[in-house]
Amino acid sequence: KNQVEQSPQSLIILEGKNCTLQCNYTVSPFSNLRWYKQDTGRGPVSLTIMTFSENTKSNGRYTATLDADTKQSSLHITASQLSDSASYICVVSDRGSTLGRLYFGRGTQLTVWP
Amino acid sequence: EADIYQTPRYLVIGTGKKITLECSQTMGHDKMYWYQQDPGMELHLIHYSYGVNSTEKGDLSSESTVSRIRTEHFPLTLESARPSHTSQYLCASSALPDRGSPSYEQYFGPGTRLTVT
Repeated sequence: KNQVEQSPQSLIILEGKNCTLQCNYTVSPFSNLRWYKQDTGRGPVSLTIMTFSENTKSNGRYTATLDADTKQSSLHITASQLSDSASYICVVSDRGSTLGRLYFGRGTQLTVWP
Repeated sequence: EADIYQTPRYLVIGTGKKITLECSQTMGHDKMYWYQQDPGMELHLIHYSYGVNSTEKGDLSSESTVSRIRTEHFPLTLESARPSHTSQYLCASSALPDRGSPSYEQYFGPGTRLTVT
């Protein structure tokens, strides 16, 4: 069964600190992995997208890594800001269908305290 | 910022009412999607469309219906709302993948928070 598991479920850090969010998946055949940021009451916004051949990608203070062999990904946030408080969702796409089906994790709820 | 819009943003309505959630995008995308999301849970695909006059049901069974008469417009309708329909509904769109790349970006609207009393 294709699944995406994220950990931790929630995380509280102080402003300025770094943190790392984890994503494990069993989706096969794998096409790409994305990290989305979803603010409360808003739609998800894409942070990064990585294909099989990419093992790291950065977007400002966000750095995503991908290990396609172990089917794991992480999202590292550097020098956190209050505006980083949001849910971070890991999404994996398969290439077994023309739709390119997306499998969503439940997200990690990050809270940054001043 | 993605050019995809949803209205209304919030809706509180009584049981048995008919409602239509609007979604429109100005990016010329062929593919459009409706997702349902409950607090703390993952997004579930309930409907999708490859283009005009194309609609398909998603993974999660839903009593809602959709239509795609124009490329930019993908409304979702509930003929008779029930408290079990209370949820957040997210619309998304994407371009068809290029031949050389299977990757494509899905852009999400801000969502409609529906509460049925």
